[in-house]
Amino acid sequence: DQQVKQNSPSLSVQEGRISILNCDYTNSMFDYFLWYKKYPAEGPTFLISISSIKDKNEDGRFTVFLNKSAKHLSLHIVPSQPGDSAVYFCAASARDSSYKLIFGSGTRLLVRP
Amino acid sequence: GAGVSQSPSNKVTEKGKDVELRCDPISGHTALYWYRQSLGQGLEFLIYFQGNSAPDKSGLPSDRFSAERTGGSVSTLTIQRTQQEDSAVYLCASSLGLRAPQHFGDGTRLSIL
Repeated sequence: DQQVKQNSPSLSVQEGRISILNCDYTNSMFDYFLWYKKYPAEGPTFLISISSIKDKNEDGRFTVFLNKSAKHLSLHIVPSQPGDSAVYFCAASARDSSYKLIFGSGTRLLVRP
Repeated sequence: GAGVSQSPSNKVTEKGKDVELRCDPISGHTALYWYRQSLGQGLEFLIYFQGNSAPDKSGLPSDRFSAERTGGSVSTLTIQRTQQEDSAVYLCASSLGLRAPQHFGDGTRLSIL
């Protein structure tokens, strides 16, 4: 049973527009969420995180929103750039096993010039 | 370099052989993790080391898998009597501690013939 789901395997957006990547989770014990970006043949790179005590965290062009009641988080990239084209993974961890990240299956983002 | 280093980057071996994968974490990082990514899937947690504490091996898929971390630094993941389903990218990560972002190496791509 997948505890972290990324239901869109791919997303294509025009350069300069907003990219919105979505993630849903089922485990109500999750209290820490992260987004990673992955290029081919490289390891995932940490982008941004959010604790369940917040509903928004912003870092430059990247903003993560958390809706605890809906068990949903999203990553907004504004404005999108061609270099943002990569696979994006959301991950979550629970209070009682905070070191163990549970990953979604990823969304491949393509930003068209 | 300053990042997590993994070797080899690629490994092709015959079914039934043993393999050993190596991870050199970021200096000063006390926590070390191994994950596995099968084709088209998210990352799957395998094992976690934190300082001198007993490791959490709960993600290891079978007793053919083992890992050790010597001197609180370098770690090796060993797979005995490899099977075709062991083919995957094995990723190592390290972090400063609990709830600190995990920083990943580029992985070892393991192919079992």
